[in-house]
Amino acid sequence: AQSVTQLDSHVSVSEGTPVLLRCNYSSSYSPSLFWYVQHPNKGLQLLLKYTSAATLVKGINGFEAEFKKSETSFHLTKPSAHMSDAAEYFCVVSLNTGNQFYFGTGTSLTVIP
Amino acid sequence: GAGVSQTPSNKVTEKGKYVELRCDPISGHTALYWYRQSLGQGPEFLIYFQGTGAADDSGLPNDRFFAVRPEGSVSTLKIQRTERGDSAVYLCASSFGQGGNIQYFGAGTRLSVL
Repeated sequence: AQSVTQLDSHVSVSEGTPVLLRCNYSSSYSPSLFWYVQHPNKGLQLLLKYTSAATLVKGINGFEAEFKKSETSFHLTKPSAHMSDAAEYFCVVSLNTGNQFYFGTGTSLTVIP
Repeated sequence: GAGVSQTPSNKVTEKGKYVELRCDPISGHTALYWYRQSLGQGPEFLIYFQGTGAADDSGLPNDRFFAVRPEGSVSTLKIQRTERGDSAVYLCASSFGQGGNIQYFGAGTRLSVL
């Protein structure tokens, strides 16, 4: 079975400070892992994807995530938060041989000026 | 268009009515997915099409929900005898192929059943 746990429902950071959004996954097979961002009234936008080519994945807007198989984690980080980063973030797991995405419950990121 | 298009963006209906939600995927994408996102939750899978056929409909909650993709492009999600619990944002995504490929999402249709 596949599942995703986002450990924090809300994260609040000051502008210019680091961001850490935590995600743990469970998968019986070798998964693909994604982070998507959802701004209010906008569609889900892909931030980055892990494909097993490299454990540290760089995405758009300065975000990156590290795949740690031993910890079954795929945490999202950014060195310095911007006001425009305020949004809902979803960690997603998908089987490489499957079809559907399994979403976490989301982490709401607030950036304080 | 360049992205996945969903219409309408908002739909308000009364309990017991029938609704149709439309999804126009990215041109050339063979796979199309429907998800439902309730307030404060992550999207949940409903159904997946590969071409014209529904390859996996295991996420449809009951037989009031049905989806079609007759020509392998545009898809329609149909809900009969709507209930207040059907209120949610319905998301459509498309991808080139399957199996862990990136899914591109539309902005969704917000359905409100009064």
